[in-house]
Amino acid sequence: GEDVEQSLFLSVREGDSSVINCTYTDSSSTYLYWYKQEPGAGLQLLTYIFSNMDMKQDQRLTVLLNKKDKHLSLRIADTQTGDSAIYFCAEREGNTPLVFGKGTRLSVIA
Amino acid sequence: DSGVTQTPKHLITATGQRVTLRCSPRSGDLSVYWYQQSLDQGLQFLIQYYNGEERAKGNILERFSAQQFPDLHSELNLSSLELGDSALYFCASSGGSSYNEQFFGPGTRLTVL
Repeated sequence: GEDVEQSLFLSVREGDSSVINCTYTDSSSTYLYWYKQEPGAGLQLLTYIFSNMDMKQDQRLTVLLNKKDKHLSLRIADTQTGDSAIYFCAEREGNTPLVFGKGTRLSVIA
Repeated sequence: DSGVTQTPKHLITATGQRVTLRCSPRSGDLSVYWYQQSLDQGLQFLIQYYNGEERAKGNILERFSAQQFPDLHSELNLSSLELGDSALYFCASSGGSSYNEQFFGPGTRLTVL
């Protein structure tokens, strides 16, 4: 079955860039997503990328996709304390439900 | 605000009881998904409805059931509750103008004592 793997923790200093990595196994994945979950809150869709793209940039966020290695990354430029949260990588094929990784907890040190 | 609403926000109940969680999708979205988030299992897909019909089933227990009504709101029914059912239950919706995106509600936190 499909599997999505992420490292569990990442700690960065305020103002630095954060890079959160994700690997997936399903070669049929057509869309890959990044969600953010703050404490006690729901999941906020940050961005997503279609599998025929290599890169997508949206303000401070850059998503890179290496389809050959099935590797997805999310780069947050100029990381702020408000970026502290859990970041989930997810994939889907067509209109199927999302398959999530276990999430990466990002801690930003002031 | 994603536009997806869920009620109640919190629910505390005892083992063996039955509860109903409610979700209203974003305006125009025909698909509703239910997910369970627990510390040990992470985010797991339970079930999907599209325009009133069951579309896909995930790791949903037989004690759990769901439906989507003609006005597109959905309910998730959990019965014979066990301690291990304590979790956050999320509803998400998609379709309409944002076919590729799933928007999540704030979740219902269920505590079974």
